[in-house]
Amino acid sequence: KAGVTQTPRYLIKTRGQQVTLSCSPISGHRSVSWYQQTPGQGLQFLFEYFSETQRNKGNFPGRFSGRQFSNSRSEMNVSTLELGDSALYLCASSADTGSPNEAFFGQGTRLTVV
Amino acid sequence: GENVEQHPSTLSVQEGDSAVIKCTYSDSASNYFPWYKQELGKRPQLIIDIRSNVGEKKDQRIAVTLNKTAKHFSLHITETQPEDSAVYFCAAAADDKIIFGKGTRLHILP
Repeated sequence: KAGVTQTPRYLIKTRGQQVTLSCSPISGHRSVSWYQQTPGQGLQFLFEYFSETQRNKGNFPGRFSGRQFSNSRSEMNVSTLELGDSALYLCASSADTGSPNEAFFGQGTRLTVV
Repeated sequence: GENVEQHPSTLSVQEGDSAVIKCTYSDSASNYFPWYKQELGKRPQLIIDIRSNVGEKKDQRIAVTLNKTAKHFSLHITETQPEDSAVYFCAAAADDKIIFGKGTRLHILP
């Protein structure tokens, strides 16, 4: 069974640009969550999608958005990039069994804003 | 809002000694408590988890304890080895929401 796949692995963007990151979950997983990881701040929750609907949202500005497709693949978009958006962006997928369970993480996309 | 506090942020222990990482949570509806290990340059991976109907769970050298009344849970690693060096994250989950702690960087000293 293939794991969670994120593309691209690395990105360098300029301030003011926008970026789209992609996440393919484990086959059969319908829940996909996105996290921002920076040194000292741990894993900060961005949002979670389930069956193409945003189910939960963290405390990030509206420049951060996402969507999920019918095949459960998810994309995250950041518009008007700021230097502080430089981070490792991780997505995680989990099976929906009616109760919380293990989240499987992708290898992440490292975004550098210059 | 709901929160998970994790301590310490950094921990250094001599190889062979034990390490303990502690977390507290605020959402009394939390019923699932996983622990993730993230080695340098790698993705976080689940190492052990516990549900609210259990007070303790052990898997070889690692164990997790849960005190629902006090809203505390802890990770215990015994007989630490160099490969235990990593960042460890605790989390508390309720239904479809999970909150992570900020992580503990564990150094195993030779």
